[in-house]
Amino acid sequence: QLQLQESGPGLVKPSETLSLTCTVSGDSISSSGYYWGWIRQPPGQGLEWIATVYYSGRTNYNPSLKSRVTISIDTSKNQFSLRVDSVTAADTAIYYCARMYKFGIPGTLEYWGQGTLVTVSS
Amino acid sequence: DIQMTQSPSSLSASVGDRVTITCRASQGIKNDLGWYQQKPGKAPKRLIYAASSLQSGVPSRFSGSGFGAEFTLTISSLQPEDFATYYCHQHNSYPWTFGQGTKVEIK
Repeated sequence: QLQLQESGPGLVKPSETLSLTCTVSGDSISSSGYYWGWIRQPPGQGLEWIATVYYSGRTNYNPSLKSRVTISIDTSKNQFSLRVDSVTAADTAIYYCARMYKFGIPGTLEYWGQGTLVTVSS
Repeated sequence: DIQMTQSPSSLSASVGDRVTITCRASQGIKNDLGWYQQKPGKAPKRLIYAASSLQSGVPSRFSGSGFGAEFTLTISSLQPEDFATYYCHQHNSYPWTFGQGTKVEIK
């Protein structure tokens, strides 16, 4: 059974960098053919897609965040990561990692991590 | 960006009621749409993919329909465990976007 687990600090100071890692078990992120990525949800609000990465390093970013966000993948550790620079209180959210999609397979976002709350505060 | 507009934003219903949630896309997205259920403190759970395909393990009282720009999620007979927030999501083009959510509450 595929499992995804987010990890990283729960508190980040304004103007600093938020870094999260998603560890995948039950599937290989390099051989499965799937894209992987991040979605966030501010407390009490809706969902926002952040970025997607393929094992080759190919990426897609939400233009609203692109200038501050980097997604990367480490196939040797079966992990992928998210970095958000120059954070503000508006970046306070639950961050979810998810298995995104695979070409030729209908649908997306079948598997999600449990989510991790990141608070931006001094 | 493709805007996804869900209606209603909230509804009150009783156990056994038929519930319909609508999602409209600002442009055609073929059937590149999914429906998700989210309960408090939990990650979203996929119910429907490709607009009308039922996710394995999801009860058959859930169904989806639509193509192009208008989609519906129907719960044929609401059960106590169905009280949650529901989101539609388009993956036809980047940036992927979600509807604002529909909260289904107990009447």
